[in-house]
Amino acid sequence: DAGVIQSPRHEVTEMGQEVTLRCKPISGHDYLFWYRQTMMRGLELLIYFNNNVPIDDSGMPEDRFSAKMPNASFSTLKIQPSEPRDSAVYFCASSPGQGATEAFFGQGTRLTVV
Amino acid sequence: KNQVEQSPQSLIILEGKNCTLQCNYTVSPFSNLRWYKQDTGRGPVSLTIMTFSENTKSNGRYTATLDADTKQSSLHITASQLSDSASYICVVSKFPGGSYIPTFGRGTSLIVHP
Repeated sequence: DAGVIQSPRHEVTEMGQEVTLRCKPISGHDYLFWYRQTMMRGLELLIYFNNNVPIDDSGMPEDRFSAKMPNASFSTLKIQPSEPRDSAVYFCASSPGQGATEAFFGQGTRLTVV
Repeated sequence: KNQVEQSPQSLIILEGKNCTLQCNYTVSPFSNLRWYKQDTGRGPVSLTIMTFSENTKSNGRYTATLDADTKQSSLHITASQLSDSASYICVVSKFPGGSYIPTFGRGTSLIVHP
């Protein structure tokens, strides 16, 4: 398996534009997680899904952020409208279980909003 | 408030030397503690996981310890190599009612010089 695949690897956009980040989890993994990493705050869990259903979105910073998982092999994280403070590296991870089960991370998408 | 504090924030050592990274947490109820290694420009990769009943666990040159009473963990790296240069992140999970809630430390940045 190629692991968790994220696209794009880098995204530069202007403030106010819509940004869509994409993730393909490892086949057979029931859990999918979206994280955001910044120098100031480190890694933060934004939202996670179990069997395509959002379980906990308490980490989503505000209504400008939304995430979907239409099927077991694809998820998106959308920011509309984007702001400079959204600049960060966004990671997607998947796991076959929760709790003590290891989550496998993608390479991340580095988002820069100018 | 559930917190995970790591120290030192950064560390520079010479190749071949040993070092120890610290993680203190207040997360409760405790489920498990995991150490991740994150190379520059890549997603985190799990090194080891500790559950409540485990005191020490090794993974090659990496040895993690856990004291659940004092809520402290350490990651000891023996005979460091240049490839150990990375950020090391401590993540503590709790299990309230079956929901997966991880709390991340800010990480320790390790640089190994030749």
